[in-house]
Parts: sequence; structure tokens; C-alpha cells
Amino acid sequence: EIVLTQSPGTLSLSPGERATLSCRASQSISNIYLAWYQQRPGQSPRLLIYGASRRANGIPDRFSGSGSGTDFTLTISRLEPEDFAVYYCQQYGTPPFTFGPGTKVDIK
Amino acid sequence: DVQLVESGGDLIQPGGSLRLSCTASGFTFSNYAMSWVRQAPGKGLDWVSTISKTADVTYYADSVQGRFTISRDNSKSSLFLQMHSLRVDDTAMYYCVPATGASWGQGTLVTVSS
Repeated sequence: EIVLTQSPGTLSLSPGERATLSCRASQSISNIYLAWYQQRPGQSPRLLIYGASRRANGIPDRFSGSGSGTDFTLTISRLEPEDFAVYYCQQYGTPPFTFGPGTKVDIK
Repeated sequence: DVQLVESGGDLIQPGGSLRLSCTASGFTFSNYAMSWVRQAPGKGLDWVSTISKTADVTYYADSVQGRFTISRDNSKSSLFLQMHSLRVDDTAMYYCVPATGASWGQGTLVTVSS
């Protein structure tokens, strides 16, 4: 099983700041099989990034994904109020298709 | 618009069985592998199972292997999860999701408690 570790667990930032979230895998993942999701309180998750770096439909360009192998990053260039949420990475290349534990981005 | 409507969640005693359903619309259901993902109250996302487009391949998390069965009916754009031997730690919101992860419904709540 590929274990995903996300850091930090919580990121406290102010609106307008840059957020950098990390997702590290216990073994190499093909780039095309790494996704990032956002979940706001009380809402279902929303796909942000797939294939490590491809933005999903309707996702603002302040969200970007990068990385390869075992180390992946989600960057939010300038935090908007609606971006304060929990973010999960998922690998969907090798079953079981595991999720990371999440990073909470909250308002400083 | 893509819609995924899950149903069948309920309060059930440990050891019981339940069948979840998901009806999809707004996309060609038969073109996509489909998954169930769950989320326990206050916890993170937990992948449960995935079924291929033609239902010939299925995958399960170790925690549900042998107790849960995923199936689909492409003629009705429907996905199912048959759950047996339910445990307290199966308590969660269950989401039906295309394997692309691009669309999520509101989920259906399964509560396992005596």
C-alpha cells in the first residue's frame, strides 16, 4: 500500500499570502495518478488538480500542482477567503487508492 | 450538469447489512470507472472500493475486503455498495465518485451503533 503523508497538518496564514502544501508518498507514483482535493466545512470534496499538475475544470489559476516521484506540492499563490479549507492528496495509480490525512489551511 | 445522488444510508446495528445506491446523470456513466469513498465524522477521506467501466475488475480497501461488494448497472447509470457484517468503525458519510474524482454528490450517512 502506498502511504501518503501530508505536511504541515495545519497551516495558519492570512488572506493574500502564499500557501505551500506537501504530499509525500511511501513509494514512487506516476505523475498522472496524483490528485488534490479541497473540502470546505460542511461540503463535499472538490477536485482541484489531477495528473499532479493539471487544474480541473473551473479551478482558478491561483491553484497549481507540481512534483514527481514521491514528492508533490500544491501551491495557492494568494489565499482568498474561500480557500480556507482542508486539502487532501490522493494517489489513484496503484490500488488501494489511498488518500493523505489532509492539511487544514486556517486563518491566522 | 453532472449529478450523483447517493441513497440507502441508515442507522444499523453492528453485524447488520445495508445496500447503498448511487444514481448518476449528466455524463455517460458507462464510460467511467466508479468508486465509493467514505468519511467518518470529523475525519479524513477514506477510499473504499472501485469498479471498472464494464464491472470486470473490482478493488477493495483491506478494511472492507470480504464484507463489502461493489457493483453497477450501466443500463440504469447506477452504482451499488452491498455492505455486510457492519462494524462501528464503518460509520461514515459514503460518497459515490467517478474514478476521475471530478464530481461528488452529497453522500449518504451510514451509522453503525447499538
